[in-house]
Amino acid sequence: DVQLLESGGGLVQPGGSLRLSCAASGFTFSSYAMSWVRQAPGKGLEFVSGISGTDGHTFYADSVKGRFTISRDNSKNTVFLQMNSLRAEDTAVFYCAKDIRNSWCGVSDRWGQGTLVTVSS
Amino acid sequence: EIVLTQSPGTLSLSPGERATLSCRASQNVDTDYLAWYQQKPAQAPRLLISRASSRATGIPDRFSGSGSGTDFTLTISRLEPGDFAVYYCQQYGTTPITFGQGTRLEIK
Repeated sequence: DVQLLESGGGLVQPGGSLRLSCAASGFTFSSYAMSWVRQAPGKGLEFVSGISGTDGHTFYADSVKGRFTISRDNSKNTVFLQMNSLRAEDTAVFYCAKDIRNSWCGVSDRWGQGTLVTVSS
Repeated sequence: EIVLTQSPGTLSLSPGERATLSCRASQNVDTDYLAWYQQKPAQAPRLLISRASSRATGIPDRFSGSGSGTDFTLTISRLEPGDFAVYYCQQYGTTPITFGQGTRLEIK
């Protein structure tokens, strides 16, 4: 059974940093692209970042480009999101999601339960 | 970026009725790369449909997707109590990928 377990969320001050992790199991991790999608409180879904499975090609929303970095460790079945220069508008539940393909397309057929990131002083 | 506009914002129906949800794109969605997701309160989204009309694994055939170009529809043929949720469309044919704002399907 596919499982995605996010960790690393919490309260951080504006300008601070956090590193999210997502541990995957139940599928051949290196064969699938992964994404991070966020949802601000009471709002809709917003794509944040994606990474292809084999070649590690990365993709970012304009709102986080230059501040966030996605990476993956296929030997540990884990995808990461390094978030720097955090702003209040980054406050959201961050979901880790498994893509339907190896080459990232952004369609996610399995999702974690999410980790809450709160940016506030 | 492609803006997706979903309508109606809220749809009130009874179990057993048919639901029709619309998603309109500001420009053509390349290769009909349009997906639909269902999200229940305090839960992660669930993929229903990709490529406009292809049901994801395990999704009952009460859910169907149609459309092309800029106009897409999700139809739920006979509503069950577990279908009442928020539904999002997503285009993934052009980066940045974008989501619609959602349609809330509520029990009448």
